[in-house]
Formats: sequence, structure tokens, C-alpha cells
Amino acid sequence: EPEVTQTPSHQVTQMGQEVILRCVPISNHLYFYWYRQILGQKVEFLVSFYNNEISEKSEIFDDQFSVERPDGSNFTLKIRSTKLEDSAMYFCATERAPGYEQYFGPGTRLTVT
Amino acid sequence: GQQVMQIPQYQHVQEGEDFTTYCNSSTTLSNIQWYKQRPGGHPVFLIQLVKSGEVKKQKRLTFQFGEAKKNSSLHITATQTTDVGTYFCAGPSNTGNQFYFGTGTSLTVIP
Repeated sequence: EPEVTQTPSHQVTQMGQEVILRCVPISNHLYFYWYRQILGQKVEFLVSFYNNEISEKSEIFDDQFSVERPDGSNFTLKIRSTKLEDSAMYFCATERAPGYEQYFGPGTRLTVT
Repeated sequence: GQQVMQIPQYQHVQEGEDFTTYCNSSTTLSNIQWYKQRPGGHPVFLIQLVKSGEVKKQKRLTFQFGEAKKNSSLHITATQTTDVGTYFCAGPSNTGNQFYFGTGTSLTVIP
């Protein structure tokens, strides 16, 4: 069964540093999402992306965050200057079309020290 | 903003007992999805409900969408240790481009 992959699985970074989290969507999926989950808490929507542009973003997704699909395959989330409170699990999810099931990647655990 | 709440937050059951989690949205939903997240894992899609009053079954799991399309439930009959995990409901925003996950119910099954 096709699956979403994410790299790295774990990223440790110092406060103020930039990080890029990468996702490879399922090949025929056109809608992409980033979510974050602080340990033990619910899954929080960050941003949705379709046709090379942001469809919607949440309040969490401030100017420190950006997304792009640089090469037609990878879908990336960049955090420009990480803060301690950015420590969380970040999940990429992809969807064939709106209203279909979302397939989640295994996540990247980001630890900001 | 739109909120999706679930109760209970935690549930411990003996293996073989039934389990139910309830999901309530502050707004009407066009559809609702249910996901399961095993400890240390990622959310995995279980099912989607679209119609008012819809009931769907998957083996021991029964999903229901309320008549007003603002609430939903997941019922597991005769729980097994493989049912352990956190169950999330999730629904789209009015635009359909944002997805709100519920607060989740963490299920522990005691063998």
C-alpha cells in the first residue's frame, strides 16, 4: 500500500535555528497538510496546500512558518527561527481530493533546546 | 473558532468490555472522520460519515453521525488489546481546507 514518508524522523535543534521538515506524498495525491501534535495532546492543523499554494492556514502558522513543494515531489515545512514551544511531532498528511481520507506520514519529532 | 471536543479523555476497560467515545462539534460538519493513533504512531484513517443520522459498522466498531451533524460516536464491542490507542474524530472547516481534530479519547484495555 502506498505511504507518505517523512524525514528526518527526529530533529534536535537549538532555539533560533532554522529547520526544514520533509515529506514525500503519495504520488497521485494533490492535497497536502501539515499538522503538529504536542506530546499527549490533540492533532493541530497548521496548513493546507494545493496547486502550489496555501489553501488555508491556522493561527499557529505565523510568519516563522513556510511551506513549499520545491521539486514536484517533496513537500516541505520550514520553521525560520525555532522556539522552545515548537517542540512537537509534526505530521504531513496527503489526500487524493477534498473529502477523501487523509494519509498521515510517520511524523518528525522536533526537539528545540 | 470551530471546536471539536471528545469525551471521555481517558478510558480504561477490561478486555471484553465495550467502549464508547463521543465527539461534539461547535458547528455543523459536512462530514466527520475518525482516526486511530496507536501509542508512538501516527493517525490512521478509520472511516468517514457524511449523511445525517448515518451509522456504519466495521466488525466490532460502530460509528454514528448525529442528526444535526454536530456530534458523532464510536462504539467498540468486546474490546481487545489491539484496540489500545487514542481515537480522534475530525471534521472540516466551512471552506473544507482546514481540518479540526477532536481532543481525543485514549483507550487502555486491561488484559
